[in-house]
Amino acid sequence: AQSVTQLDSQVPVFEEAPVELRCNYSSSVSVYLFWYVQYPNQGLQLLLKYLSGSTLVKGINGFEAEFNKSQTSFHLRKPSVHISDTAEYFCAFLANAGGTSYGKLTFGQGTILTVHP
Amino acid sequence: DVKVTQSSRYLVKRTGEKVFLECVQDMDHENMFWYRQDPGLGLRLIYFSYDVKMKEKGDIPEGYSVSREKKERFSLILESASTNQTSMYLCASSPTGAYNEQFFGPGTRLTVL
Repeated sequence: AQSVTQLDSQVPVFEEAPVELRCNYSSSVSVYLFWYVQYPNQGLQLLLKYLSGSTLVKGINGFEAEFNKSQTSFHLRKPSVHISDTAEYFCAFLANAGGTSYGKLTFGQGTILTVHP
Repeated sequence: DVKVTQSSRYLVKRTGEKVFLECVQDMDHENMFWYRQDPGLGLRLIYFSYDVKMKEKGDIPEGYSVSREKKERFSLILESASTNQTSMYLCASSPTGAYNEQFFGPGTRLTVL
């Protein structure tokens, strides 16, 4: 079965500290990978995506993620967080099974990042 | 900018009522999606549509139906609302293509009493 696991449901961190949000996936076919962010009382917006090429991808707001095929992981990192990064973060993948997938995403459970002053 | 709007931010309904959640996108996207979001469960796909009048079941379609009469509008229908359908409902749209970004609306928080 195809699935995404976000290993931490909540991550508290102090402002200006580094952070890593972990994501592992399980799929029998190749995948495209995404990280979305949801700020309080808002919809989701795309942070970054991995489609192919360089395994290190950079996104908005200073976030980056590294695709590791052997470990089936796509962890999200930021070297120095701000109060404004407090939000819920979702890892997602799209299975590249050939044919038409209509862009259906499989989401992880979400990680709530809380940045403390 | 792509804009996806949802008819209500908050909705309170009674058990057994028929509920309509409306979603409109303004970027001529072919694909539209309805998700429900529950704490600890992430987003789960209810239904999606890849063209007008076309629909496909997602992972949790039971108790829901959808309608897409126009390309820009995708409606989620709860035929007889139940308390276990209390949740946040998110609509999204994307253009045709295997890996195109989905754009999300702000969500509707539905409470069924």
